Amino acid sequence: KAGVTQTPRYLIKTRGQQVTLSCSPISGHRSVSWYQQTPGQGLQFLFEYFSETQRNKGNFPGRFSGRQFSNSRSEMNVSTLELGDSALYLCASSLATSGGARTGELFFGEGSRLTVL
Amino acid sequence: GENVEQHPSTLSVQEGDSAVIKCTYSDSASNYFPWYKQELGKRPQLIIDIRSNVGEKKDQRIAVTLNKTAKHFSLHITETQPEDSAVYFCAASIRWDYGGSQGNLIFGKGTKLSVKP
Repeated sequence: KAGVTQTPRYLIKTRGQQVTLSCSPISGHRSVSWYQQTPGQGLQFLFEYFSETQRNKGNFPGRFSGRQFSNSRSEMNVSTLELGDSALYLCASSLATSGGARTGELFFGEGSRLTVL
Repeated sequence: GENVEQHPSTLSVQEGDSAVIKCTYSDSASNYFPWYKQELGKRPQLIIDIRSNVGEKKDQRIAVTLNKTAKHFSLHITETQPEDSAVYFCAASIRWDYGGSQGNLIFGKGTKLSVKP
C-alpha cells in the first residue's frame, strides 16, 4: 500500500509569491491534516479536511488555505509568501468514520520543504 | 484550545541508560495521547499511544504513563540504543469512547534525544 505522497518535496520561492502544495493520502484514508514544522516550534496544526470540508483550522493567517478533492487528495496554498513561512509542511492522513472523526493514527508524508528568499 | 508543553527540549543519555520525556496538557477534555518519533530527515511515526482510561501502557522498551489529575503524561525509554536517537513529539486530542477523534491533534514542540554509544 502506498504511503502518503507529497509534492513537490523541495521548492524555493521569493517573498510575495504564492505556492501550492499537494498531498495524496493513503488509499481509503479520508481525513487529511496539514502541519507546519519549524525548528523549535514543533508541529503546528494548520487545518484538517474530510469529505471536501474543512473540519478544523489552526491559528494561521488567512494567507494559508487549503482544499480537499472528491478523491481525498488535498492541496494547501500560501499566498503573499513571507520569510517566516519557510518551513517543512507535513501532510498526514487517517482513517475516519462516516462522520469524519479520525479512527486511527496519523500517517505522515515526507513533507514539502519550502524556502522563502 | 488545547496547549501541550513538552520538556526537555534536548536530552542526551549514554547507551543503556533510561530516558524520560514529560508533557503537560491544558484541556481536561483531552483523552488521547500519542507519541511520535521523527528520525533525522524522515517523517514522524507513531510509536505508542495511551487513552485516559488507563494509567500506563508498555511496549517492549517503551512505556507511557498518564496522570489525569495533574494533566501530564510521560514517555519512558529503557535500555536506550543509538537507534533511539530522534526527535520525539507528544500530542493530545479528544477521542470519543465509541471511536474516532474530534478536534485537532495538538503536538508539543519536541524533544531531541541523543543516545551516545
